[in-house]
Amino acid sequence: GQNIDQPTEMTATEGAIVQINCTYQTSGFNGLFWYQQHAGEAPTFLSYNVLDGLEEKGRFSSFLSRSKGYSYLLLKELQMKDSASYLCAVRDYTGGFKTIFGAGTRLFVKA
Amino acid sequence: EPEVTQTPSHQVTQMGQEVILRCVPISNHLYFYWYRQILGQKVEFLVSFYNNEISEKSEIFDDQFSVERPDGSNFTLKIRSTKLEDSAMYFCASLVGSVSDTQYFGPGTRLTVL
Repeated sequence: GQNIDQPTEMTATEGAIVQINCTYQTSGFNGLFWYQQHAGEAPTFLSYNVLDGLEEKGRFSSFLSRSKGYSYLLLKELQMKDSASYLCAVRDYTGGFKTIFGAGTRLFVKA
Repeated sequence: EPEVTQTPSHQVTQMGQEVILRCVPISNHLYFYWYRQILGQKVEFLVSFYNNEISEKSEIFDDQFSVERPDGSNFTLKIRSTKLEDSAMYFCASLVGSVSDTQYFGPGTRLTVL
């Protein structure tokens, strides 16, 4: 089956760096995604990893270790607008490229 | 930039009624999806659709649910007899279909069943 674990909540200070961890188990791994979701809105794509290593995209970086079933999202130079839920999601190819989402980590950025 | 659109943005219905949620995926995309998110809970996969047929569905997607692509642009989710627990945000998504591709989500339809 599939299982995705990430912390429920985190708090960080404006300007700081925060790392959100994610562990997963899946049978047909086809990539790991991070999405940002503000309350009442759709998830918006942040990053995609399919090979081991670090992907950097501006203030956001994402890391993947397939052998450990582990990923993290790194947010630098935190801004108040980064307060949102961050969803770790695994794409599973058992026929339809479906995406399985974790429960999300609610990040609170304080001044 | 092309985007996935969904209508209506909010639908209120009485328990037992049928609802149809509509989506227009991005035009060159080949895979289409419905997800739902109950308030305060995680995004859950419902169904994937490719080549005019369901390619995969979850346990949630029981006989009261159906999907259709009635023409070249629309992708619909029908709930035949709504229950209170069907109240949720329903997101449509699409992707081109290559391995490195990402899903694009629509803005969602908030369904409220009274």
